[in-house]
Amino acid sequence: AQRVTQPEKLLSVFKGAPVELKCNYSYSGSPELFWYVQYSRQRLQLLLRHISRESIKGFTADLNKGETSFHLKKPFAQEEDSAMYYCALTGGGGNKLTFGTGTQLKVEL
Amino acid sequence: DGGITQSPKYLFRKEGQNVTLSCEQNLNHDAMYWYRQDPGQGLRLIYYSQIVNDFQKGDIAEGYSVSREKKESFPLTVTSAQKNPTAFYLCASSMASGADTQYFGPGTRLTVL
Repeated sequence: AQRVTQPEKLLSVFKGAPVELKCNYSYSGSPELFWYVQYSRQRLQLLLRHISRESIKGFTADLNKGETSFHLKKPFAQEEDSAMYYCALTGGGGNKLTFGTGTQLKVEL
Repeated sequence: DGGITQSPKYLFRKEGQNVTLSCEQNLNHDAMYWYRQDPGQGLRLIYYSQIVNDFQKGDIAEGYSVSREKKESFPLTVTSAQKNPTAFYLCASSMASGADTQYFGPGTRLTVL
């Protein structure tokens, strides 16, 4: 069975501080990992995926197969980063996408 | 934000009644999904469909039913057998499988009175 764990329900940081949203997964094969984000009053949308290895809005995430983690990082938090962040995993092909329980990021001034 | 729509935005129903939530997409996507979003539980997959006239149960399918008669439509029926139906329901679509980016609708909040 595939599982995604986001240990923090709420993460509060000050503007300009580094941010790390934790995500650990359980999957026996080679997973594909994603971060989705939901800003206030907006739809859930893809932020980034590990296979594209890109930085979106200053966020990056590295897949660590040894630690089975896919933490989301940003060196300097901005107020507009406040949102709900979901880590998600799929085994690829026709496999379903499994979401974590989400972390609410609050960036304070 | 166009491309995938859900209606209605808010829905109220009495206990014992079935209710159908609408999901339509004009993105020409093959795959469509229904999730339930509850506070502290994230998104849980109810049903998904990878192609017209085919669908599979997700993690919490009991008390729900779906149909996929058209590529652009994937309605979800919440039956009276669903023990705790009050929730926020999200529909999504993707080009093919779950590995592709999923595009989400605005959601329907269902309240059972």
